[in-house]
Amino acid sequence: EDQVTQSPEALRLQEGESSSLNCSYTVSGLRGLFWYRQDPGKGPEFLFTLYSAGEEKEKERLKATLTKKESFLHITAPKPEDSATYLCAVSGEETSGSRLTFGEGTQLTVNP
Amino acid sequence: DGGITQSPKYLFRKEGQNVTLSCEQNLNHDAMYWYRQDPGQGLRLIYYSQIVNDFQKGDIAEGYSVSREKKESFPLTVTSAQKNPTAFYLCASSKGTGYEQYFGPGTRLTVT
Repeated sequence: EDQVTQSPEALRLQEGESSSLNCSYTVSGLRGLFWYRQDPGKGPEFLFTLYSAGEEKEKERLKATLTKKESFLHITAPKPEDSATYLCAVSGEETSGSRLTFGEGTQLTVNP
Repeated sequence: DGGITQSPKYLFRKEGQNVTLSCEQNLNHDAMYWYRQDPGQGLRLIYYSQIVNDFQKGDIAEGYSVSREKKESFPLTVTSAQKNPTAFYLCASSKGTGYEQYFGPGTRLTVT
């Protein structure tokens, strides 16, 4: 059974204070690891897909990296508008069909 | 613009009534999904469909039903058998196995 654990549950940063969010996963054969951003009362917004260890992707102040056991979402010089809940999900080769396994998320607050 | 639409945004029902939530996508995706999200919790999969006229139960299917008669539509019915139906419901779609899912804006259902 695929498992995803995100840490920390909540993170408070000052504007400009860089940090990283962690997503640890257990899966038999990784098909893909996905990062999403979710604002309160809205649907998750897709950010990145990572397929293999060593892969990195960037978008504005966000950079996602992947190892064989975990993924990090690095946030460089965050702004208050980066405040949101960040979700991680995996697709494993032994998972039925096209379903994803989601973590509980990290709630990020960036104070001005 | 391609995307996923859910309607209505807010829905109120009396206990004992069935209610149907709409989900439409124009992304030409084969797979569609329904999730439930409760305050402060992660996403839980209700049902998913990988192809027209076929669907599978997710982790919390009891009290819910779906149909997939058209590629672009995947309505969810919350029946009176669902013991705790008040929640935020999210619909998603994807190209299929190993691909990212794209989410709609969600429907907040309140049953009193």
